[in-house]
Parts: sequence; C-alpha cells; structure tokens
Amino acid sequence: GENVEQHPSTLSVQEGDSAVIKCTYSDSASNYFPWYKQELGKRPQLIIDIRSNVGEKKDQRIAVTLNKTAKHFSLHITETQPEDSAVYFCAASMGNTDKLIFGTGTRLQVFP
Amino acid sequence: NAGVTQTPKFRVLKTGQSMTLLCAQDMNHEYMYWYRQDPGMGLRLIHYSVGEGTTAKGEVPDGYNVSRLKKQNFLLGLESAAPSQTSVYFCASSPLTGTYYGYTFGSGTRLTVV
Repeated sequence: GENVEQHPSTLSVQEGDSAVIKCTYSDSASNYFPWYKQELGKRPQLIIDIRSNVGEKKDQRIAVTLNKTAKHFSLHITETQPEDSAVYFCAASMGNTDKLIFGTGTRLQVFP
Repeated sequence: NAGVTQTPKFRVLKTGQSMTLLCAQDMNHEYMYWYRQDPGMGLRLIHYSVGEGTTAKGEVPDGYNVSRLKKQNFLLGLESAAPSQTSVYFCASSPLTGTYYGYTFGSGTRLTVV
C-alpha cells in the first residue's frame, strides 16, 4: 500500500546550524506534499507545502525540495533557533486526493 | 472563527465502554478526517468524509464508526473500547479536492482505555 518513510526519527543540532529532514513516498500519483510542526502537547500546524509541479519552495528560514523522479522530498531549516524544537511530520497526498499519508515524525532538538 | 474544535480533550474509559468524540468546524470545509496519533507511528487515518452524509474508511477503521449528519460536524464513535485504542485522536478539515491548502487540525483528544 501507500507509504511515507521519514528520517531521521530524532535530530539534535546546535543553535544556528541547519537541519534537514528527508521523506520518501511510494505512490507515484501523489502530487501534494505538506510539512507539519507539532509542539509538545499541541496540534500539528502546517508550516510549508509543495505541489508536484514545483521543485523547491522557500519561506524565510524554511525550504522544501521535491524530486518526483526519486520520490523524495526534504525539509531544510537554516539558522535554527530553540523555538524550532518540535516534532516535524511530512505527508503526501494519496494520489490526486486530499487524503494525506503521514511520515512517522522527526523530533528536532535545538540546543542553545 | 474557532477553526476546528474537538470535545472532549481528555477521557478515560474502561474496556468495553462506548463513547463519541465530536469534531466541529466553522470554515465551511467539505472534507473532514479522523486520525489517531501513537508514539513512533505518526498520524494514521481512521475515517474521513467528503461531504455531508458521506463517510469512508481510512487506514485503520476497525473498532470505530463515524457519522456526518451536518456539514460542520464529524463524530467518531467507539462502540466497545479496547486498550489498543488508547491514543491521541485528531480531527482535521480541508476545503474541496484540488485546492490543496492543507489540513486544519483540532487540538486533539487524549483517550486512555483501561
């Protein structure tokens, strides 16, 4: 069935360093790839998304890249700050639908 | 404009008891979803609805039922709770297919079945 794999499961970085989280998906018909940030005890919140007709998208310190041929997409956070500490989830649409399959999450810790 | 509201926020059930989780959205979204979140397993889709009066199964539907009698409400029912249903449940909504604006999530319900 459809699957999204996410790596690493945990990531620790020093404040100011960059962080990269990678995801792969199995459904070649997937065409929407959002990323969510979930702080402890709170709801997931959309931070950035990318559609299949775009290879890269940037929003201030956050960027997402997509390689449809390899079925890979990645989240890049530059100049990390302690408030970036959270669990990050990638997701891919189930084909051409609004249903999403989520990765298992990456716990990012940014140390001052 | 409250977005997506879930009730209750916390609940403890005994094995075999039943309960209903309520999700309400005020954004006029067509699509609504119920996910469960377990450690190390991300978010898994239980059931979803593409409009008033419609429901469909997701990845892990067993042991759950849903109803969407009104566009703004999506109910998740557990008829006979089991310890394996201990989880955090999130409701989400999104606009019509093809718009891809991502989900708006509720604040979650932490359910413990003892």
